[in-house]
Amino acid sequence: KAGVTQTPRYLIKTRGQQVTLSCSPISGHRSVSWYQQTPGQGLQFLFEYFSETQRNKGNFPGRFSGRQFSNSRSEMNVSTLELGDSALYLCASSKGQGDSYEQYFGPGTRLTVT
Amino acid sequence: AQKVTQAQTEISVVEKEDVTLDCVYETRDTTYYLFWYKQPPSGELVFLIRRNSFDEQNEISGRYSWNFQKSTSSFNFTITASQVVDSAVYFCALPPRGSQGNLIFGKGTKLSVKP
Repeated sequence: KAGVTQTPRYLIKTRGQQVTLSCSPISGHRSVSWYQQTPGQGLQFLFEYFSETQRNKGNFPGRFSGRQFSNSRSEMNVSTLELGDSALYLCASSKGQGDSYEQYFGPGTRLTVT
Repeated sequence: AQKVTQAQTEISVVEKEDVTLDCVYETRDTTYYLFWYKQPPSGELVFLIRRNSFDEQNEISGRYSWNFQKSTSSFNFTITASQVVDSAVYFCALPPRGSQGNLIFGKGTKLSVKP
């Protein structure tokens, strides 16, 4: 079974630009969650999508948005990039229902904002 | 609100030593799940274990074992006979109340195993 894939793996952007990150979940998984990891703040939850609907949202500004497609693939968008958005962005997939809470993570996208 | 505390920021051991990583959590939920993840230098978080609060039995998987104590709100992780490949950052986590797609992580413990 293929794991979670994220593209691109590395990205360098300039302050003020926008960026879109992509995540393909494990086959059969309907939930995709996004996390930001920085040395200072650690792992922080951004949002979760289940069956194309945002089900949970973390405490991030509106510049961070996402969506999920009918095939469960998800994209995350960050507009008007700031230097502080430099981080490792991790996507996780799970079944999203029943008592299955395990999340399986992708390799991450390392975003550098200059 | 839920909270996970991993007081050990960094631990360094020599290969073949046993090492225990501590995790203390706070939750008002009567039933909940706890998790451990491993993050090697490559960056990908690897799922290690999920424990239901109903089950306080210790769990062993090869060189890994977990000690869950509800009375002290702790879920500690022990690696027996550590190996260099165990070098990674280890995270303890639990979901917020009523939420499946969200995990609250501790700050992590960086384990370095030297040959």
